[in-house]
Amino acid sequence: GAVVSQHPSWVICKSGTSVKIECRSLDFQATTMFWYRQFPKQSLMLMATSNEGSKATYEQGVEKDKFLINHASLTLSTLTVTSAHPEDSSFYICSASSNTGISQETQYFGPGTRLLVL
Amino acid sequence: GIQVEQSPPDLILQEGANSTLRCNFSDSVNNLQWFHQNPWGQLINLFYIPSGTKQNGRLSATTVATERYSLLYISSSQTTDSGVYFCAAGGTSYGKLTFGQGTILTVHP
Repeated sequence: GAVVSQHPSWVICKSGTSVKIECRSLDFQATTMFWYRQFPKQSLMLMATSNEGSKATYEQGVEKDKFLINHASLTLSTLTVTSAHPEDSSFYICSASSNTGISQETQYFGPGTRLLVL
Repeated sequence: GIQVEQSPPDLILQEGANSTLRCNFSDSVNNLQWFHQNPWGQLINLFYIPSGTKQNGRLSATTVATERYSLLYISSSQTTDSGVYFCAAGGTSYGKLTFGQGTILTVHP
């Protein structure tokens, strides 16, 4: 149980284009999803917290108009990188909160999406 | 926000050896998780352990919340244990996790 998927796993795009990344919780309902980015040989940095049916909460320094987050259902959140530039190239990872009543704040992570902007 | 520090940053072992990884956090937590990041980047949940002790096979973890640290024990290490181990802690902001910088573990045959 507690499986999170991401699509696509790899994406290469030209500078100036927009890229959408999907995050799905496959076998549980996730009222909260999180988006992280990870640069090579570094740790994960939280970008935003996404609650189903409401606007995402962005961490300080993350441009909300650059990284559009939508959480339209209890199993799907999307991250759109708008007008991508080479400095946006990174590994993007989503996670979902599993509200089991026992471990309410356990986060389960997707496999990540590698974005390369040329 | 919470600060999370992990030690050591790098650890090299021979297969069969035991090891202890440490995670210090700066404030009270209601969420503490250990992860293993495999070479493909997938984060694998090891433990959800805001307090107490848990064991899963060759791995075990202990969190002493009052002293603000957690330990991950790996016994009889195998080459497949290689990778990056992250500790992540969350406080009063529901669900938000702050990650440590990780421990890079290399197990040689």
